[in-house]
Amino acid sequence: DTGVSQNPRHKITKRGQNVTFRCDPISEHNRLYWYRQTLGQGPEFLTYFQNEAQLEKSRLLSDRFSAERPKGSFSTLEIQRTEQGDSAMYLCASRPTRGGPHEQYFGPGTRLTVT
Amino acid sequence: AQKITQTQPGMFVQEKEAVTLDCTYDTSDPSYGLFWYKQPSSGEMIFLIYQGSYDQQNATEGRYSLNFQKARKSANLVISASQLGDSAMYFCAMRAQARGADGLTFGKGTHLIIQP
Repeated sequence: DTGVSQNPRHKITKRGQNVTFRCDPISEHNRLYWYRQTLGQGPEFLTYFQNEAQLEKSRLLSDRFSAERPKGSFSTLEIQRTEQGDSAMYLCASRPTRGGPHEQYFGPGTRLTVT
Repeated sequence: AQKITQTQPGMFVQEKEAVTLDCTYDTSDPSYGLFWYKQPSSGEMIFLIYQGSYDQQNATEGRYSLNFQKARKSANLVISASQLGDSAMYFCAMRAQARGADGLTFGKGTHLIIQP
């Protein structure tokens, strides 16, 4: 059983470019979460999916951010017209909801640097 | 809205001593869960322990225990017999379960350094 995986692990992009990150949750985990963590801070919740349905979005998720989970398995997070303030670690997590543990299992993260 | 407060930005502890990391929370929801995660310098978030708001007993997991004081809205993490490998960032988090909300709210963390 593999853990949550995220790709790429690192991304450097120029301001104004679009970027897309991918998250593969633990198999059979029907809930998938995205968080953003800036240096010296705790993770901040962005959004989560149950299967393919996006059930909650944080106010942090501006119009430039979009997340999808089209088949209820992997998810993508796209940031359009990146800004320097988008530089952060983007974390993905998953968990089951039926008879499973309460905790979320986190992936290694994608570190985004916007120059 | 939920809020987690961790008032210790950093702590130095001698190896083999017990350490308590403070966490207070604020929520108006009657049903919630409290979590502690460890984040080593490598960056991954490692789950340590969970406490439900209706749990009667304090949670324990090996060397970790959670000192849950509901009236004070505190959920301190106690690590017994600290080890060098315990050096890391520690985050307290909460999930309030009303209205379909399921995202975790994290505190700013405590940087724990275990000294030999």
